[in-house]
Amino acid sequence: IAGITQAPTSQILAAGRRMTLRCTQDMRHNAMYWYRQDLGLGLRLIHYSNTAGTTGKGEVPDGYSVSRANTDDFPLTLASAVPSQTSVYFCASSDSPDRVTEAFFGQGTRLTVV
Amino acid sequence: GQNIDQPTEMTATEGAIVQINCTYQTSGFNGLFWYQQHAGEAPTFLSYNVLDGLEEKGRFSSFLSRSKGYSYLLLKELQMKDSASYLCAVRDSDYKLSFGAGTTVTVRA
Repeated sequence: IAGITQAPTSQILAAGRRMTLRCTQDMRHNAMYWYRQDLGLGLRLIHYSNTAGTTGKGEVPDGYSVSRANTDDFPLTLASAVPSQTSVYFCASSDSPDRVTEAFFGQGTRLTVV
Repeated sequence: GQNIDQPTEMTATEGAIVQINCTYQTSGFNGLFWYQQHAGEAPTFLSYNVLDGLEEKGRFSSFLSRSKGYSYLLLKELQMKDSASYLCAVRDSDYKLSFGAGTTVTVRA
């Protein structure tokens, strides 16, 4: 693996089902982020983590949960999917939250809830 | 929370210059970033500003005024491949990285 990887690339999910989007980075970055991107609304922050063991809520956290058990992984879980969660989800990471370095993005997960 | 505003769309001619403005209101400030995103792809980093002034990177420059909560991205010598969405992002005092809705730039021949 080189960089930041998301899985799956795309998914069609029945409403009410539970789903975990995976995100793994091998750059030893401390900060990680989950965004959803919808047409006309740009990237909206769902949850973030400044370091392993800590997480925080972003702009649109409802219906989503995250964990950060180690540095490399930052999974996003939809406990009970609803159609309004249909979106493209991007995971990102950056070196350290208190250093001004750029964030690197995964390739995205296109999720459709039906 | 953050309030980050940028124009929705801009159109320019190949070889021209385009300036994309971004205004922001945040709880604390730890850097302003510009990203480029082509349709169907992930955002890629272009530039960042921490201090007031102009940062130049080839054909792209970014300016910041922290007192005015204002930044712009300047794209010079526009090429067709510059047609994309340009995203302004701000990191706040909690180190959350929040994005504006993006500006879609269309370059015409």
